[in-house]
Amino acid sequence: AQKVTQAQTEISVVEKEDVTLDCVYETRDTTYYLFWYKQPPSGELVFLIRRNSFDEQNEISGRYSWNFQKSTSSFNFTITASQVVDSAVYFCALRSSGGSNYKLTFGKGTLLTVNP
Amino acid sequence: DGGITQSPKYLFRKEGQNVTLSCEQNLNHDAMYWYRQDPGQGLRLIYYSQIVNDFQKGDIAEGYSVSREKKESFPLTVTSAQKNPTAFYLCASSIGAGTSYEQYFGPGTRLTVT
Repeated sequence: AQKVTQAQTEISVVEKEDVTLDCVYETRDTTYYLFWYKQPPSGELVFLIRRNSFDEQNEISGRYSWNFQKSTSSFNFTITASQVVDSAVYFCALRSSGGSNYKLTFGKGTLLTVNP
Repeated sequence: DGGITQSPKYLFRKEGQNVTLSCEQNLNHDAMYWYRQDPGQGLRLIYYSQIVNDFQKGDIAEGYSVSREKKESFPLTVTSAQKNPTAFYLCASSIGAGTSYEQYFGPGTRLTVT
């Protein structure tokens, strides 16, 4: 069975602070993909990143960075120098190659509020 | 502009009525999906379709039906058999149904049934 846990339900920070959103996953498959999505108040999910299980390199994209650690089954997301526009719900998701490979399993999301 | 459109954004229905949610994509994607989101919850898969004229049930298909007669369109019908239909419904598509493909989402339809 696949499972994604985002233990932080809500996080509130002040603008310019750094913030890390945690994601822990469970899967028995050796080949899988991890994703992060952003859901702003408008409701549409915006794709942020995809990472496959064989690539443990961290990735940086502007103020966003992702830390993938297979040893702890974690795929954490850090926003550096947060801005008000970063306020949204962020979802971590998992898709593995075995069994029902159509299925994207989502965590329950973390609501990030960045205050001015 | 390429993307996914869902209409309407807000939909109100009386209990016992069937309602159809529209989803159209012009991304030339083969695979399409319907998810349901409830407050404070992640997304749950209702139905998915890998190609035209083919679709499979997801985790919570009871009370829903779909069709895939055209590549661009994947409408979802919420039937009166769905016990708790009030929710936010999101349509998504991907190039293919393979594991590595990211899914792109539409703006969603918020359905309220009273």
